Amino acid sequence: AQSVTQLGSHVSVSEGALVLLRCNYSSSVPPYLFWYVQYPNQGLQLLLKYTSAATLVKGINGFEAEFKKSETSFHLTKPSAHMSDAAEYFCAASSGAGSYQLTFGKGTKLSVIP
Amino acid sequence: DARVTQTPRHKVTEMGQEVTMRCQPILGHNTVFWYRQTMMQGLELLAYFRNRAPLDDSGMPKDRFSAEMPDATLATLKIQPSEPRDSAVYFCASGPGTLTYEQYFGPGTRLTVT
Repeated sequence: AQSVTQLGSHVSVSEGALVLLRCNYSSSVPPYLFWYVQYPNQGLQLLLKYTSAATLVKGINGFEAEFKKSETSFHLTKPSAHMSDAAEYFCAASSGAGSYQLTFGKGTKLSVIP
Repeated sequence: DARVTQTPRHKVTEMGQEVTMRCQPILGHNTVFWYRQTMMQGLELLAYFRNRAPLDDSGMPKDRFSAEMPDATLATLKIQPSEPRDSAVYFCASGPGTLTYEQYFGPGTRLTVT
């Protein structure tokens, strides 16, 4: 069964610093991978998705993620954190093959320190 | 822009009462998901529909929960009778059912059972 692991339930960065949120998946077949962001009292918003077209994926709000098959990773990065980036981030995967369910990681709460 | 809508946004009810939550998926999407989010359990998949047919409801307590799609524009989640442990945020998500597998989330219904 597919599993998604997010390292660090809580990450703090200073405003202007690099944001790095880690995600590893377990699958013998490269899955479809997603990052979602959830702001307080809101639903999950799709940040970006990997669908095998390119290993470096750019998303909204300046975020990007790189798919590394050898490391089974899909880490999320942003060069310079902004206060408005404070939120919870979820990595998710689908094994594809007609299964439309997503397996979610437990989430990483990002705090941005002024 | 196209969004998943959910009603009501907030619901406070007494134990034993019936609760109905409604979701309007994005027009043209043929997969619909119901999730529950709590601090303790995180995000849990309750039910999953494709082309209005239930494909997986293994995450749902069968004795009190039921999920239906009366038509392509409406999904419902009912709890009868409700219990305090059902207090959570319930999200509906829809997806285009294409080879990209992404899901788009609604704003959620915050349910409090007293």
